[in-house]
Amino acid sequence: QKEVEQDPGPLSVPEGAIVSLNCTYSNSAFQYFMWYRQYSRKGPELLMYTYSSGNKEDGRFTAQVDKSSKYISLFIRDSQPSDSATYLCAMSSNAGGTSYGKLTFGQGTILTVHP
Amino acid sequence: KAGVTQTPRYLIKTRGQQVTLSCSPISGHRSVSWYQQTPGQGLQFLFEYFSETQRNKGNFPGRFSGRQFSNSRSEMNVSTLELGDSALYLCASSSGGGQISNTQYFGPGTRLTVL
Repeated sequence: QKEVEQDPGPLSVPEGAIVSLNCTYSNSAFQYFMWYRQYSRKGPELLMYTYSSGNKEDGRFTAQVDKSSKYISLFIRDSQPSDSATYLCAMSSNAGGTSYGKLTFGQGTILTVHP
Repeated sequence: KAGVTQTPRYLIKTRGQQVTLSCSPISGHRSVSWYQQTPGQGLQFLFEYFSETQRNKGNFPGRFSGRQFSNSRSEMNVSTLELGDSALYLCASSSGGGQISNTQYFGPGTRLTVL
């Protein structure tokens, strides 16, 4: 079983819809949670970074972390065709104070927002 | 600030050859991490270098190696290439300070094809 499981999708929604992307994890040591967006033929781009349980909002994006359930989510409001990309969740721990440089990723969800 | 750069962007090699990929981090960043991305396995962590020392290592065979120079630029080498090594190789840089804000920024990747 993978340490991080992500709903594979693909997901296809109409413009303006609310999108929900989810990941679950099994490693209790994970403390830092990130969402990356990756366009075709590009490297991943950091969208959101959270540390504690709860919600963090940035524009149309809201990241949610529930450490007790080992579950994280990314919500996209008023989705746009330009949001069409692969979304990756990523996590890291602080084992020994030096593990920040190792990210464990979900498989990614391909999102298509059609006009 | 210039982003993470990787060279070359595309590479075609044959089985048994070796290859060296290069990564220049964001100015001031001291940590460089390398990842392999394939359709089947997703993004997998290879290793991280910080101040010219390997700080973390993933579960890849010894054919995969890397190094970091005093200016924080990093190279990774794959010897005795196999067909399964065909992938997008991504490097990411961060400050490496081990703080909560130590987020990773990715380059565009090197697309390696092994024939």
